[in-house]
Amino acid sequence: GAVVSQHPSWVICKSGTSVKIECRSLDFQATTMFWYRQFPKQSLMLMATSNEGSKATYEQGVEKDKFLINHASLTLSTLTVTSAHPEDSSFYICSASRDDRGNQPQHFGDGTRLSIL
Amino acid sequence: AQSVAQPEDQVNVAEGNPLTVKCTYSVSGNPYLFWYVQYPNRGLQFLLKYITGDNLVKGSYGFEAEFNKSQTSFHLKKPSALVSDSALYFCAVRVGRYSSASKIIFGSGTRLSIRP
Repeated sequence: GAVVSQHPSWVICKSGTSVKIECRSLDFQATTMFWYRQFPKQSLMLMATSNEGSKATYEQGVEKDKFLINHASLTLSTLTVTSAHPEDSSFYICSASRDDRGNQPQHFGDGTRLSIL
Repeated sequence: AQSVAQPEDQVNVAEGNPLTVKCTYSVSGNPYLFWYVQYPNRGLQFLLKYITGDNLVKGSYGFEAEFNKSQTSFHLKKPSALVSDSALYFCAVRVGRYSSASKIIFGSGTRLSIRP
C-alpha cells in the first residue's frame, strides 16, 4: 500500500487563490521530504527540500514567497501555492524516504494536479 | 555538473521481445542509482536500485539493470516485455549522502510503449 499520501489529488480554482497541498508519510517518520513540479511529458523538477523543524531549501529559480513550505512534524509537509495564477498550473509531487542516508528509495505521493483558471 | 541522461524519449518494443531503456550518469564519487516508473496521473513507483555490490540488480515486475562503472551507465532491461509495461520510466541518481546536502537528480524520462 501507499506509504506517502498526497492530498488533494486534483484542484481547480480561480486565479488569485492560495492552494495548500499536503504530503504525509504514513508509516514512517521523515525528517526530509522533497517537492517536485512536473510539466506535461517532462521530467520532475525539484522545487525544494522540506526539512522538519527548519526552513526549506529552495532550488535556484523557485520563488520561496510563492511556494511556501512547512514541515511542522515528522510525518507532514505542506506546500502552499500563494496567489496562484494560470502559469502555476502543473502536476506537483512530493516524496519522502524512510532513511536519510541516501541508499533507500524515495516513496512518492500520487501527485496533485493543479489547474488555475 | 552532476547529471543523468536518458538519450531516448521513446522506446517501442513488441510484446514478448526484450527491452532496454538507457541511462548514463555523471556524478562525482560512487553513485546511488535508481529506476522509477510513472503511470498516467500518478506519482513515481520504485523499481530497483544500485548502491554497491553486484553490478546486475533485480527489481520489481521482472526488471533488472546493469551498473557499468567504466561506461557510467545503468540501463534498465527486461527479457520479455508486457503490454502493461507501457509507462514513463525515470532514471535517477542520489547526490550527497545525508539529508542536509542530499537530493535526487532525475533523467528526462523515457516513454516505453509495448505493442501487442
